[in-house]
Amino acid sequence: AQSVTQLDSQVPVFEEAPVELRCNYSSSVSVYLFWYVQYPNQGLQLLLKYLSGSTLVESINGFEAEFNKSQTSFHLRKPSVHISDTAEYFCAVTGISNAGKSTFGDGTTLTVKP
Amino acid sequence: EAGVTQSPTHLIKTRGQQATLRCSPISGHTSVYWYQQALGLGLQFLLWYDEGEERNRGNFPPRFSGRQFPNYSSELNVNALELEDSALYLCASSQGSGANVLTFGAGSRLTVL
Repeated sequence: AQSVTQLDSQVPVFEEAPVELRCNYSSSVSVYLFWYVQYPNQGLQLLLKYLSGSTLVESINGFEAEFNKSQTSFHLRKPSVHISDTAEYFCAVTGISNAGKSTFGDGTTLTVKP
Repeated sequence: EAGVTQSPTHLIKTRGQQATLRCSPISGHTSVYWYQQALGLGLQFLLWYDEGEERNRGNFPPRFSGRQFPNYSSELNVNALELEDSALYLCASSQGSGANVLTFGAGSRLTVL
């Protein structure tokens, strides 16, 4: 069994401030980790993923996440946010041996204020 | 390249009726997934189809069912609708499963009155 906990349901920040969206997971098997973003009235889009190798992964729009196996975390960070980053962010895990079933967190709403 | 397309965008039904939602995956993707996104409950895994077969199922009653057609498109059926079935139903597709990234459609919003 696997579960995902996103520790903050809402994160309000001012433009150009740094942000961290926290994600912890539990699983009895090794996992792949993902962050998805959902803009208003749209479906989810992949932001970044960790499959193996370097524990720090980056997206093309400045977000990064670090896989910490000992703390079972995959926190998402951005050093300077823009208004356009306002969206809902979902952390997800897929058990390597539980193909096809991704478990999602409840989401974190990031609101960037001018 | 067309993305994952879902229809209808919105659907209004009354309790006890049946709802059918449709999904067309990205060309070349053989796996289709259904998720329910109810208010305040996050995304809940419903079903996974691959190569026409149901491969995995979430913790939902049997009145939630579906199928995958030879062209890999999929249909989700919800029978005997209940008020709590009101939600956004998201379809996703991938090339295979496991580490493969899910590409989501915009969803079908089902309202049960």
